[in-house]
Amino acid sequence: GAVVSQHPSRVICKSGTSVKIECRSLDFQATTMFWYRQFPKKSLMLMATSNEGSKATYEQGVEKDKFLINHASLTLSTLTVTSAHPEDSSFYICSARTPAGGGGNEQFFGPGTRLTVL
Amino acid sequence: DAKTTQPPSMDCAEGRAANLPCNHSTISGNEYVYWYRQIHSQGPQYIIHGLKNNETNEMASLIITEDRKSSTLILPHATLRDTAVYYCIVRVNNAGNMLTFGGGTRLMVKP
Repeated sequence: GAVVSQHPSRVICKSGTSVKIECRSLDFQATTMFWYRQFPKKSLMLMATSNEGSKATYEQGVEKDKFLINHASLTLSTLTVTSAHPEDSSFYICSARTPAGGGGNEQFFGPGTRLTVL
Repeated sequence: DAKTTQPPSMDCAEGRAANLPCNHSTISGNEYVYWYRQIHSQGPQYIIHGLKNNETNEMASLIITEDRKSSTLILPHATLRDTAVYYCIVRVNNAGNMLTFGGGTRLMVKP
């Protein structure tokens, strides 16, 4: 299947700093990428849908000014957590959608980024 | 997308078949059944999906009832590495929209 990478895999930062997380589709072009957040022992919650060349669509309750998403190319989307606070500590996961048709699976997930805000 | 119901947890002995059920009684005619799993601290991994016929691949088998209101994911010979949370999701294929994750089933494979 298609490969999606995330960088960094783990980050620890001080409260008030900003953190950028990269999501890359390594062997395919992704017009759409999705960003999820997962708290311990909870399920994945969609934060936003990122479309190449246009503004991201945020889910209800997700602050767009706090979680900045940029999808500048067909292989890269970035999530920036601005002015991070301890409550932003979470596991952030991206997924990328391939243009595959014909009934095949078309979404592949990155390995996740563990953010810890002190 | 239709909602799904899964048991929160299951145990399975190593080497035995693991049968994970999923109820999706409100599934629509154009919605597929997808299964993903998430091993601890990793991103979800695609397992298998189907519309109405049973499906099999190198990872698992998917059995969908004739009325499509429920399905079962079968791991034929579970190993310790199959310990994970398994998510059953129903959605329209190639819709371009996101996957909505429910609670999933936490499968513990025991030696």
